[in-house]
Amino acid sequence: DAGVIQSPRHEVTEMGQEVTLRCKPISGHDYLFWYRQTMMRGLELLIYFNNNVPIDDSGMPEDRFSAKMPNASFSTLKIQPSEPRDSAVYFCASSPGTSGSNNEQFFGPGTRLTVL
Amino acid sequence: AQKITQTQPGMFVQEKEAVTLDCTYDTSDPSYGLFWYKQPSSGEMIFLIYQGSYDQQNATEGRYSLNFQKARKSANLVISASQLGDSAMYFCAMRESPYSSASKIIFGSGTRLSIRP
Repeated sequence: DAGVIQSPRHEVTEMGQEVTLRCKPISGHDYLFWYRQTMMRGLELLIYFNNNVPIDDSGMPEDRFSAKMPNASFSTLKIQPSEPRDSAVYFCASSPGTSGSNNEQFFGPGTRLTVL
Repeated sequence: AQKITQTQPGMFVQEKEAVTLDCTYDTSDPSYGLFWYKQPSSGEMIFLIYQGSYDQQNATEGRYSLNFQKARKSANLVISASQLGDSAMYFCAMRESPYSSASKIIFGSGTRLSIRP
């Protein structure tokens, strides 16, 4: 089985440009999470979805960030306009459910974003 | 509010020794789950072990075990017989209300473990 797939793996862009990060969760998983990791702030939860519905977006830093999940197999995280302080590794993770061992989150390889 | 604290930013351990990585948590929810993840230099996040708040026994997975002390709100990771490949960042994480659809997971700041040959 393929794990969580993220694209692109690396993105270099200029300040002010729109950036779209993509994620394909593991088939059958009901939960999808977007995280951002930086040296200064560690691993932060940005938003998560349950059955394609956003449940908690309190971690989204500002209105420049938006996330969608149009179907069970695809999600996007968009930054418009991007700023240098958005440079980070963005992880997508999915999990099958909420009980017992199903609590495990499976992480994608991450997208390393650099905004110049 | 829930909180995860990892007080050891970095540790050095001799190969083949056991190592304990500390994690304390704070929550008012009686139901929660605790996780440990490993992040090697390649960047991926690897799930290691899970402990539910109602689990009667400490979780074990191969060389990994979780020393769960509920009254002290600690969930230390123990790695037995450390190997060079264990060098990585280790994150402790917690999910409140794991049986609710409206729960989220938060991560500690991590501990960088370095194994000396």
